[in-house]
Amino acid sequence: GAVVSQHPSRVICKSGTSVKIECRSLDFQATTMFWYRQFPKQSLMLMATSNEGSKATYEQGVEKDKFLINHASLTLSTLTVTSAHPEDSSFYICSAQPDRNVEQYFGPGTRLTVT
Amino acid sequence: QKEVEQDPGPLSVPEGAIVSLNCTYSNSAFQYFMWYRQYSRKGPELLMYTYSSGNKEDGRFTAQVDKSSKYISLFIRDSQPSDSATYLCAMSIITAGNKLTFGGGTRVLVKP
Repeated sequence: GAVVSQHPSRVICKSGTSVKIECRSLDFQATTMFWYRQFPKQSLMLMATSNEGSKATYEQGVEKDKFLINHASLTLSTLTVTSAHPEDSSFYICSAQPDRNVEQYFGPGTRLTVT
Repeated sequence: QKEVEQDPGPLSVPEGAIVSLNCTYSNSAFQYFMWYRQYSRKGPELLMYTYSSGNKEDGRFTAQVDKSSKYISLFIRDSQPSDSATYLCAMSIITAGNKLTFGGGTRVLVKP
């Protein structure tokens, strides 16, 4: 149980285009999902907290107009990187928190490369 | 000073040895303590989580929390080459939206 999927697992896009990443909790409902970014050999950096049916809460320094988050249902959250630039290239990971639980379960991650 | 400190390693041990990992933290408000394992280019996998001070065991894994010292540990018995990964500790506060604060991770290498 507690499986989280992400799609796509890897994406290459050209500078200036937008990319959407999906995060799904497959066998549980998640009112809250989180989006992280991870650079090579570094720990996870929280970007935003996504709550179903409401606006996401972004961490300090994260551009909300660049990283659009939508939590449309209790099992799906999406992250759209708009007008991507090479510096946005990174490993993006989502996590989902089952309702009434404190632990978070992570997806397998999406590697974004902007050329 | 970071809120959660974790030795980056690498920690190299022979197969079958006990792996000992630890984290220290500065914020006494942390309530939940978790250990994740992350293989290269994969998402973190939850190993264990604890709430109170004391020990918690699950198979080959034992987690310890000492809130008075602000110190947590993870022990892996009978280590296997497949345990080679980066281990991340994480902590949260319920009233702070349960956001996780991660340590930097310790890279572990179990040699056959």
